[in-house]
Amino acid sequence: DIVMTQSPDSLAVSLGERATINCKSSQSLLSSSDNKNYLAWHQHKPGQPPKLLIYWASTRYSGVPDRFTGSGSGTDFTLTISSLQAEDVAVYYCQQSHTAPLTFGGGTKVEIK
Amino acid sequence: EVQLVESGGGLVQPGGSLRLSCVASGFSLANSWMNWVRQAPGQGLEWVAIIKEDGSEKIYMDSVKGRFIISRDNAKNSLYLQMTNLRVEDSAVYHCVRGLGWYFGLWGRGTLVTVSS
Repeated sequence: DIVMTQSPDSLAVSLGERATINCKSSQSLLSSSDNKNYLAWHQHKPGQPPKLLIYWASTRYSGVPDRFTGSGSGTDFTLTISSLQAEDVAVYYCQQSHTAPLTFGGGTKVEIK
Repeated sequence: EVQLVESGGGLVQPGGSLRLSCVASGFSLANSWMNWVRQAPGQGLEWVAIIKEDGSEKIYMDSVKGRFIISRDNAKNSLYLQMTNLRVEDSAVYHCVRGLGWYFGLWGRGTLVTVSS
């Protein structure tokens, strides 16, 4: 199974400041057939179902604000929130869709400092 | 409104069975891979199973193989999860999730399954 490791477990950021979350996979998520990285980011707010933010490592899903940016390739990936807003308080998960079983990172809790 | 609504959760004893259902509204799930993803209390997200658009391919996480069956009825715009021989560690909120390919594009709110004696 592909193991996804996120860091940090939690972080507190001031409103308007940058938040950075890292995700590392135990195997490369780069597909040789289409040269795409099969890595997604999800946002999970309390009391709500999770929401897809980013797929193929850097493609924003429909309706996702452009302050959310995904980057990275191979085994190392990053989610950046360029200017943290109050509504961004949530747990963020990376997830690989390269190989079954589909696996998630442990999550990163983002709070306001 | 585009949404997925799960039902069928509840309290069951170890070794018991439950059947979860998920109904889609606002769109047809016939064109999407569909998934079940669970979250145990205080824990992270865990993918359980996936089924192809026409039901011809199904993949499960190892710990539920032989105990859970994912199925779909596209005519009823519905997804199911038949769970047997339930264990305490299967206790979780179970989310129905519409696939974007193998990504998780739209999540339902979930239904709570509690396995306890």
